[in-house]
Amino acid sequence: GDSVTQMEGPVTLSEEAFLTINCTYTATGYPSLFWYVQYPGEGLQLLLKATKADDKGSNKGFEATYRKETTSFHLEKGSVQVSDSAVYFCALPPNTGKLIFGQGTTLQVKP
Amino acid sequence: GAGVSQSPRYKVAKRGQDVALRCDPISGHVSLFWYQQALGQGPEFLTYFQNEAQLDKSGLPSDRFFAERPEGSVSTLKIQRTQQEDSAVYLCASSRASSTNEKLFFGSGTQLSVL
Repeated sequence: GDSVTQMEGPVTLSEEAFLTINCTYTATGYPSLFWYVQYPGEGLQLLLKATKADDKGSNKGFEATYRKETTSFHLEKGSVQVSDSAVYFCALPPNTGKLIFGQGTTLQVKP
Repeated sequence: GAGVSQSPRYKVAKRGQDVALRCDPISGHVSLFWYQQALGQGPEFLTYFQNEAQLDKSGLPSDRFFAERPEGSVSTLKIQRTQQEDSAVYLCASSRASSTNEKLFFGSGTQLSVL
């Protein structure tokens, strides 16, 4: 069945460091891919998405490219801030009405 | 309200008690979802409504779990005879339409602790 695998955390970085959080997927067909973020004490919110192969989703300085050949959707940011500290989830919709999430990667950014 | 609202925020139940968790989706949102999130894990799908119709309940872990959305707006997730393994955060989400590309709006969740 469809699945999502993320790199394990926590990831601890200094402010202004480069961030990569790996995500790979297994899916039938070519579903849209999403990154959701959960800030402390808040609900999950959509960070970015890509709907087809080679699409790049971007938001708030974060980017992720839908790579069909490597079945990956890695999240990157060139310069992280303390306010980026959160849990990040990669997700895909195998069909209408459902999202499959990865296990989440905790990011801690230190000043 | 502006977002998805869930109540209560925290619920402590004794094993064997019944609990009811409420979700108020964003007004006008057609689709409503329930997810279960165990500590340190990603959310796992429980069930999905399109308006008042429950189109998918494949993720409900047992017949102790029941969800309803009778008027196509507010939804209630009921857990009967709670067990310790039911302890988790229960998330509700809604979206405007029933498309795989549609953005989901999540509530802050109800943290259920079964003692």
